[in-house]
Amino acid sequence: DTGVSQNPRHKITKRGQNVTFRCDPISEHNRLYWYRQTLGQGPEFLTYFQNEAQLEKSRLLSDRFSAERPKGSFSTLEIQRTEQGDSAMYLCASSPRLAGGLYQETQYFGPGTRLLVL
Amino acid sequence: DAKTTQPTSMDCAEGRAANLPCNHSTISGNEYVYWYRQIHSQGPQYIIHGLKNNETNEMASLIITEDRKSSTLILPHATLRDTAVYYCIVSPLPLASNTGKLIFGQGTTLQVKP
Repeated sequence: DTGVSQNPRHKITKRGQNVTFRCDPISEHNRLYWYRQTLGQGPEFLTYFQNEAQLEKSRLLSDRFSAERPKGSFSTLEIQRTEQGDSAMYLCASSPRLAGGLYQETQYFGPGTRLLVL
Repeated sequence: DAKTTQPTSMDCAEGRAANLPCNHSTISGNEYVYWYRQIHSQGPQYIIHGLKNNETNEMASLIITEDRKSSTLILPHATLRDTAVYYCIVSPLPLASNTGKLIFGQGTTLQVKP
């Protein structure tokens, strides 16, 4: 399967613990996005990378959140000192660069990591 | 905030066409209309997008009104596997100069019934 993969698929943690999620985008996709989705809502943009550079962060991304994409391939999203309000599905998506400075209109989403903070 | 308005839910009989409306009255000239869907417990899946002309692919058809203030996604022969939340999104083409991020609303939950 050559789609976007995310690990783990499910994570249960206690409030105050740190968690880290991993996203492996489709090979050679330059852009990588993180979204968060709470129950009954559509996904909300968190941050995105163009290769290894993190170019935008949403105000939703508090100081407890950090994302990296060190070699422009896989990405990690870490949440420190988790709170119950962090319980959500965390989605990763990637898209490839096309010729002429365009990016493919389609974002390819992974299955998500569902986080439950007790 | 999302720039689109969609009905919260719709039902459709299996084998019939599903017509999902979307209002985007404040759409800008450079913004496209995108449709994604999300089947339960999966990530969103791209369906189709368009600027002003009607578009068709193997999954669906997209009809955009002449004033571009609304659109309709058509699934010509809905199956049970089309049961999902459908999101209508307006966004410019992803260029090197913009983020390409998607701003989702709450979408329409389509229930296809046997």
